[in-house]
Amino acid sequence: AQSVTQPDIHITVSEGASLELRCNYSYGATPYLFWYVQSPGQGLQLLLKYFSGDTLVQGIKGFEAEFKRSQSSFNLRKPSVHWSDAAEYFCAVVDSSYKLIFGSGTRLLVRP
Amino acid sequence: DTEVTQTPKHLVMGMTNKKSLKCEQHMGHRAMYWYKQKAKKPPELMFVYSYEKLSINESVPSRFSPECPNSSLLNLHLHALQPEDSALYLCASSQGWPGRGGSPLHFGNGTRLTVT
Repeated sequence: AQSVTQPDIHITVSEGASLELRCNYSYGATPYLFWYVQSPGQGLQLLLKYFSGDTLVQGIKGFEAEFKRSQSSFNLRKPSVHWSDAAEYFCAVVDSSYKLIFGSGTRLLVRP
Repeated sequence: DTEVTQTPKHLVMGMTNKKSLKCEQHMGHRAMYWYKQKAKKPPELMFVYSYEKLSINESVPSRFSPECPNSSLLNLHLHALQPEDSALYLCASSQGWPGRGGSPLHFGNGTRLTVT
């Protein structure tokens, strides 16, 4: 069965520092991959998506992600983190039943 | 601002009450979803409607009853809930199935449900 793993439960970075959130997927074919962000008490906002083509995907709020088939990874990056980026980040993959399956999430904390 | 609107934002209900959660979107999306999210957990799929017909029921207890009156509206009727049903209930919509053409899901801000 398809699955997605986010190995880091929490990550703390200083404001202005770079960020990389890890995501590994399990899927036989080319996956449909997404990153969502959730602020406290809010719904999920789509940051970016990958279906095919260029493996480096640009998203909103200065985020990007790179699809690496050889590593089964889709890591999210941002060159300079802002305090407002503190939130929960979910990686997700579409399974063979066309259902969106979420990883367990990574909570990002930003130090002033 | 989210394009998927959910009401109410907060709901407190007793175990014998009947209540409904409402969701509305005007993006012309033809698939609509209910997710349940417990604290510090990812969202879990409950139901999917496609073209106003129930396509997926993830073995959800019958005390949760979904309804899709038209392509823009999605309801979740609640009856005889248990305290463990307390959670954030998220509605989402997409142009089509997420794996077909890669339609992303657009989420509302959710209804925070507390069952007492």
